[in-house]
Parts: sequence; structure tokens; C-alpha cells
Amino acid sequence: GESVGLHLPTLSVQEGDNSIINCAYSNSASDYFIWYKQESGKGPQFIIDIRSNMDKRQGQRVTVLLNKTVKHLSLQIAATQPGDSAVYFCAENSGGSNYKLTFGKGTLLTVNP
Amino acid sequence: EPEVTQTPSHQVTQMGQEVILRCVPISNHLYFYWYRQILGQKVEFLVSFYNNEISEKSEIFDDQFSVERPDGSNFTLKIRSTKLEDSAMYFCASGFGGGADTQYFGPGTRLTVL
Repeated sequence: GESVGLHLPTLSVQEGDNSIINCAYSNSASDYFIWYKQESGKGPQFIIDIRSNMDKRQGQRVTVLLNKTVKHLSLQIAATQPGDSAVYFCAENSGGSNYKLTFGKGTLLTVNP
Repeated sequence: EPEVTQTPSHQVTQMGQEVILRCVPISNHLYFYWYRQILGQKVEFLVSFYNNEISEKSEIFDDQFSVERPDGSNFTLKIRSTKLEDSAMYFCASGFGGGADTQYFGPGTRLTVL
């Protein structure tokens, strides 16, 4: 069946360090992936996305890597700041007529000053 | 920057009552969604809506749930007879493209069923 999950439920880093958040998916038909950030009491905020025809995409301080061979997705945050503290979710969509996003459980990132 | 808005931010209701959660999607978006998140759990898909009809729904979206786009700007989720287990954050999302396209989420409505 399809599932999206995260390897680590919590991650604690020092301010200025780089953070890596991982995600595994099992649906080989998934062709679109999004990383969302959710701060307490707020809705998921889009960070970056990637399609299955790519293996890397960069944004401002963030990079998403996609390894289709092992069905693995990661989010790298460079020079992590206290404002990056939040829960990070990966979500996937299998395209076609499939409209829903399937979310993982989330990783809580805590940035220590 | 345009954003999805939702009202109310918090709704408290008695079990068995009807509630309507309201959303204003981003104006040029064509696809609309409802998701929910039970406290401490992951975000779950409820329903997607396109061209004035439901395009996909999950097993959670049973006969007690309905969606409507009553005018050109609002998108609503109605729960006819609320149950205790309906207590959750409900998020509206919208997107310009279909499923394989970015979905932008609103701030959510916290529904508490007593």
C-alpha cells in the first residue's frame, strides 16, 4: 500500500548548523513530493517541492533530494535558525487523477541558540 | 502575497449539532481541498473539489460530510451531526493545478465537539 513516513520523530540542532530531515515513501507511482513546515497552531506552509524527473532541487537555504531507487526524500536546511523550529512534513502525490496529498507523520525540529 | 483564509479559527459545538467551516481559497485557484489533523497526528486528506464537484474523497468523508462552493469565493465544509471523534484541526487548501501541483493551506479551524 502507499505510505509516507519519517525516520526520526525529533531532531535537535544548534543554531547555524545544517539540518537534514528524512522521509521514506513506499508508493513507487508517486511522482510529486512536497515539504511543508508547520508551526504550532498554524497550517502547513509550503517550503519546496520536487517532481520525480528530478533528483535535487534548491531553494533559499533549503535543498530537497529525491532518491527514487530507495524511495527516499530528504530536506536539508542550511545554517538553521531559531525560526526554523517547527514540525516538518513530507507529502506525496501519485499524480494522474489522484488529487490527494498523503502526509508523513512529521519531524519536530528544535533549533537551540 | 495571496493566502487561504478560514473562519472561524475555533468552533466549539455539542455532539449531534451541525457545523459549517468556511474557507476563502486563493482567488485564481481552481482546485480546493479539505484536510484534517487530529491533535498530535499527521494531516489526513478528506476531499478534493474541482469544477463544482467532488473529484476525490477519503473513507473519512462519509455521508455526514459535505462540501459546497456557494459563490465565486467561498468553499465550505459541513458536518451534519458532529461526533466526539470529529474534534480536530480542519485545513482548507487550494491549488491552481491538480493533485500533482502545489497545495497552499489555510491557518485551520479548530473544531471541538463536546
